Amino acid sequence: EAGVAQSPRYKIIEKRQSVAFWCNPISGHATLYWYQQILGQGPKLLIQFQNNGVVDDSQLPKDRFSAERLKGVDSTLKIQPAKLEDSAVYLCASSSASGGYEQYFGPGTRLTVT
Amino acid sequence: SQKIEQNSEALNIQEGKTATLTCNYTNYSPAYLQWYRQDPGRGPVFLLLIRENEKEKRKERLKVTFDTTLKQSLFHITASQPADSATYLCAGPDRGSTLGRLYFGRGTQLTVWP
Repeated sequence: EAGVAQSPRYKIIEKRQSVAFWCNPISGHATLYWYQQILGQGPKLLIQFQNNGVVDDSQLPKDRFSAERLKGVDSTLKIQPAKLEDSAVYLCASSSASGGYEQYFGPGTRLTVT
Repeated sequence: SQKIEQNSEALNIQEGKTATLTCNYTNYSPAYLQWYRQDPGRGPVFLLLIRENEKEKRKERLKVTFDTTLKQSLFHITASQPADSATYLCAGPDRGSTLGRLYFGRGTQLTVWP
């Protein structure tokens, strides 16, 4: 079975610019997660979707970050405008059910904001 | 606030020895804990899940324990090999949520030398 796909793998932008990341989860996985992982830290959940609905976005900086999951499959995460502290790896994960199930992660997108 | 803590940033051991990694949780009682492996430039990969009513769980050379008295989980790799070198992440769910939100520790970087 194909894994979680993410693109791009790397992105360098200047502060105040915008950027978008794309994720395609494992086929059939209803739950999709976006995490931010700053160097030397563990992943931090930004937003969680169940099918195409948001179930948890309490940690998403909504003044600059947005995410959508059209048709309950692919998802995009956008940052506008970017700040220096947004430099991190953005990981997408999916799981077959919410609560108590393993999450499958994509390779991540490494964002550098200069 | 609920916390998952991995206080050892790095662990260096000789090939063939047993590696023991520690995960502590504070300010709550997770229903289960998960352990993930993360290699450089890649997303985390699920290894094991242990529930609060399970004392110990094994998978090949891996063993995980859950001690609710000490509020701690230990992750053991027996007969360690250089290929086991990676960062190992501990994660626990938000007890107050049925949504599957995970809190991750910062990880312990394991290096196994020949």
